[in-house]
Amino acid sequence: SQKIEQNSEALNIQEGKTATLTCNYTNYSPAYLQWYRQDPGRGPVFLLLIRENEKEKRKERLKVTFDTTLKQSLFHITASQPADSATYLCALVAGGTSYGKLTFGQGTILTVHP
Amino acid sequence: GAGVSQSPSNKVTEKGKDVELRCDPISGHTALYWYRQSLGQGLEFLIYFQGNSAPDKSGLPSDRFSAERTGGSVSTLTIQRTQQEDSAVYLCASSSQGAYEQYFGPGTRLTVT
Repeated sequence: SQKIEQNSEALNIQEGKTATLTCNYTNYSPAYLQWYRQDPGRGPVFLLLIRENEKEKRKERLKVTFDTTLKQSLFHITASQPADSATYLCALVAGGTSYGKLTFGQGTILTVHP
Repeated sequence: GAGVSQSPSNKVTEKGKDVELRCDPISGHTALYWYRQSLGQGLEFLIYFQGNSAPDKSGLPSDRFSAERTGGSVSTLTIQRTQQEDSAVYLCASSSQGAYEQYFGPGTRLTVT
């Protein structure tokens, strides 16, 4: 069956360190993969999108990699800050399906300690 | 500009009652999506509207769930004969033509007692 796994429910790091979150998938051939941030009581906020033919994408302190051989995406936050504390969700769209239909992982709760 | 808005923000209803949840997408966005977020279940796709095309209803969990989108803008998600397992946060998102990123509303928290 198709599955998306974010293999840490929670991640605690010290301010200034790099946070690395992992998203693995099975039985998908994703056209692209997205990362969202969700704060308590709010809807997810789009952060980054990476396509199947891209290896890496950067935006400010954020970096996403996409390895279709390993079926894995890594999400990095460099020089982390307490304000980065939130739940981070990966989501993908399978190739050949309606591009609006995102399938989400369970999320990783990131806590950055001062 | 204004983001996606949803109403009500909270809804408590008795088992067996019908509920309607409303979503106002970002003006000009042609695509609209409904998701459900339950504890321990993550975000689950429900339905997708794109312009005047037939909606993708493949995520609706039962025939008690239906949704419509009037005039290509506002959408209403209706749950008939609510059950306790329908308790969740219902999220709406929209995106512009040809874009992949989705903009989410704050959600409606539905509690069925």
